Amino acid sequence: EVVLTQSPGTLSLSPGERATLSCRASQSVYNNHLAWYQQRPGQAPKLLIYGTSSRATGVSDRYRASGSGTDFTLTISRLEPEDFAVYYCQPYGSSVTFGGGTKVEI
Amino acid sequence: QVQLVQSGAEVKEPGASVNVSCKAWGYTFSGHYIHWVRQAPGQGLEWMGWINPRSGVTNFAQNFRGRVTLTRDTAISAAYMVMSRLRSDDTAMYFCAREMETMTGTLDYWGPGSLVTVSS
Repeated sequence: EVVLTQSPGTLSLSPGERATLSCRASQSVYNNHLAWYQQRPGQAPKLLIYGTSSRATGVSDRYRASGSGTDFTLTISRLEPEDFAVYYCQPYGSSVTFGGGTKVEI
Repeated sequence: QVQLVQSGAEVKEPGASVNVSCKAWGYTFSGHYIHWVRQAPGQGLEWMGWINPRSGVTNFAQNFRGRVTLTRDTAISAAYMVMSRLRSDDTAMYFCAREMETMTGTLDYWGPGSLVTVSS
């Protein structure tokens, strides 16, 4: 089973700044594909990115993701108030696993 | 418009069972796997398993095999998660989610969650 390590655990930033989130896998991710989810307090997770770099429907182009093999990155440019949330990465595969999450806080 | 509607909050005693439902709207139910994910208070996401609505075939995370049953009713586009022998550490929010594309694990629509509290 792939183990995902997300860093940092918490990112403290101000609105307008750029956030860079990392997700490292214990082995190469199947098909080099990874998904990212955003979870705001009290809400269900929301799909942001699939296939490593494709934005889900309605997701702002301030969200960009890249990576391959074992190292993946999610970048949020020009943070807005609604971006402050927890972000999880998840590799492709029939059995699902999630990273521990990165909290982006003000 | 795709929507997953879940059943309401439950309070159960240790050792009891709980049944959480997830009704799908706005798409062909049999065309997408349904996954179940839970989240304990203040913790991360924990995947539990999936069901193929077309065939009824299921797959579970090791931690839940033997204690969780996943079923579906295609006539009403609903999926069900039954967990037995509940313990206090099963207190969590339980989410159902639709898999975007078969065998990718990518979950594109999520239900709002059903809170299960296990307490004596």
